Amino acid sequence: NAGVTQTPKFQVLKTGQSMTLQCAQDMNHEYMSWYRQDPGMGLRLIHYSVGAGITDQGEVPNGYNVSRSTTEDFPLRLLSAAPSQTSVYFCASSYSKGRPTFGPGTRLLVL
Amino acid sequence: DQQVKQNSPSLSVQEGRISILNCDYTNSMFDYFLWYKKYPAEGPTFLISISSIKDKNEDGRFTVFLNKSAKHLSLHIVPSQPGDSAVYFCAASAGGGSNYKLTFGKGTLLTVNP
Repeated sequence: NAGVTQTPKFQVLKTGQSMTLQCAQDMNHEYMSWYRQDPGMGLRLIHYSVGAGITDQGEVPNGYNVSRSTTEDFPLRLLSAAPSQTSVYFCASSYSKGRPTFGPGTRLLVL
Repeated sequence: DQQVKQNSPSLSVQEGRISILNCDYTNSMFDYFLWYKKYPAEGPTFLISISSIKDKNEDGRFTVFLNKSAKHLSLHIVPSQPGDSAVYFCAASAGGGSNYKLTFGKGTLLTVNP
């Protein structure tokens, strides 16, 4: 049982490049979410999903796209990276009334 | 406008003593509260939670108290151990226990000195 896995662990991008942050869970959780953490800040919700095919925006969705074609996977896409997207990204998953389990994070640097 | 506030960026305590971490919230719709612990370069790990229908929840050395009228909760760690040194995040949700949309505080760095 791997829990929540995220790849890559670390990535450097140039402004304008695109990339996909991967998130997978093997706990058959219905709900999945993406958060970002900036220095001195708490985690802020980017996008979330309540099941396959269903996604919605969180507090800071601009510049990010998501899709959920399977229960297990919830990738986060940056279409045109900006320095303001330099952050640590955490994926989380949970059951309906459960406590979210977080992945180890992806550290992203946009130059 | 911060809906969940942790006003102490850091706290230092001696091993064996009590650590008290505080959290305030402004959104009356929050009905479930969670504490997460985070070590550097790792993801947050769940510590303890409390529903708004309770005022206290205990799990071993960790106790969370909720004062709804004051919109305040606190995490007590007794006795504190050096391994408790980490950043502690308070989080809240308004989903009737569905916690996929959490609002986090900025965190408190706890240092437990041997």
